[in-house]
Amino acid sequence: ETGVTQTPRHLVMGMTNKKSLKCEQHLGHNAMYWYKQSAKKPLELMFVYNFKEQTENNSVPSRFSPECPNSSHLFLHLHTLQPEDSALYLCASSRGGGRVVDEQFFGPGTRLTVL
Amino acid sequence: GENVEQHPSTLSVQEGDSAVIKCTYSDSASNYFPWYKQELGKRPQLIIDIRSNVGEKKDQRIAVTLNKTAKHFSLHITETQPEDSAVYFCAASGDDYKLSFGAGTTVTVRA
Repeated sequence: ETGVTQTPRHLVMGMTNKKSLKCEQHLGHNAMYWYKQSAKKPLELMFVYNFKEQTENNSVPSRFSPECPNSSHLFLHLHTLQPEDSALYLCASSRGGGRVVDEQFFGPGTRLTVL
Repeated sequence: GENVEQHPSTLSVQEGDSAVIKCTYSDSASNYFPWYKQELGKRPQLIIDIRSNVGEKKDQRIAVTLNKTAKHFSLHITETQPEDSAVYFCAASGDDYKLSFGAGTTVTVRA
């Protein structure tokens, strides 16, 4: 598959569960992002990685833990989430590298429901 | 940080008419302004973007205008078609990879 892929597409978990979201990009990009999309709200940037280094943590609670083992893969580890964390989690990538921002390509998202 | 406001939140237009969505931003250092379209159940996709060194950009039925002095930018869709029905997001960014998004506009094109 080309572009940006995410797995799983849907996830239902209890508040005591531990789960991980996976994102993979096949575009040769160097920057990757996690966003949270809730109804009627702007996309919320959570984390930014550039060349595997985390460059942004947008005041995200510690129950969300990102991991970027290489420029093509990005994970979001979830632990003891709250019902208000239910949302669509979108991964994106861009060329990154330099200081000029450019187009971000989004994955299809993981629809997360916390019971 | 950057704050982007988007209006209106919903927009209903007759097929063939024009649609205009407006956004304002707060950070005068922002220099990149993309617009994303998100169809129901699908991922956001870039439809057009503009950088601060130009005032207007067109791509077929879509155009974006930027007023740096007033810190606002607008999306114009002409000759709307049913497939233009979607949620549209504006965003703004400086030289730090971070996009700040507006809350979105749900556009419905009536046949």
